[in-house]
Amino acid sequence: GAVVSQHPSWVICKSGTSVKIECRSLDFQATTMFWYRQFPKQSLMLMATSNEGSKATYEQGVEKDKFLINHASLTLSTLTVTSAHPEDSSFYICSAQDRNLGSNTEAFFGQGTRLTVV
Amino acid sequence: SQKIEQNSEALNIQEGKTATLTCNYTNYSPAYLQWYRQDPGRGPVFLLLIRENEKEKRKERLKVTFDTTLKQSLFHITASQPADSATYLCALDASGGSYIPTFGRGTSLIVHP
Repeated sequence: GAVVSQHPSWVICKSGTSVKIECRSLDFQATTMFWYRQFPKQSLMLMATSNEGSKATYEQGVEKDKFLINHASLTLSTLTVTSAHPEDSSFYICSAQDRNLGSNTEAFFGQGTRLTVV
Repeated sequence: SQKIEQNSEALNIQEGKTATLTCNYTNYSPAYLQWYRQDPGRGPVFLLLIRENEKEKRKERLKVTFDTTLKQSLFHITASQPADSATYLCALDASGGSYIPTFGRGTSLIVHP
């Protein structure tokens, strides 16, 4: 299957700093990318959907000024957690889809990023 | 309210037996439903997709059924192996066919040798 690479796999940062997470599609065009967060033993919660070259669509309750999403190319999307606080500590996962193949095609997931804010 | 329910208790079975996991949903009309495997500290890995007009789908030792009347999907692993131990997530298309999957909490499967 297609490969989505997410980096870093884990990061520890100080409270108040910003952290950038990258999500790359290695062998296909990611026209659409999804960003999720997951707390222990909980389901993946969709944070936002981004289409290449457009502004991201955020889910209700997700602060767009805190979680900045950029999807400037067909192979790269980034999520920046700004002014991180301990409650932002979570597992963040991206997934990517090529909607040129149809809207019901499989989305491929990155390995996830464990963010710990101290 | 909309819900996707998976058994939160871990399923413990003996190697070689068939594991059956359940996904029930409420107040959704999904065009399709998917099953994923997630290992600790990793992103989900896609396993199977079944569409609303399909009753059953198979892939090697995996079988998925989809009953839109009962609003339920069953996920079976036959001849289970310890390597099958993981959390299994169901996800359904909650957006009327535009493929934005919404996930259940997942069920942990533990296969004992």
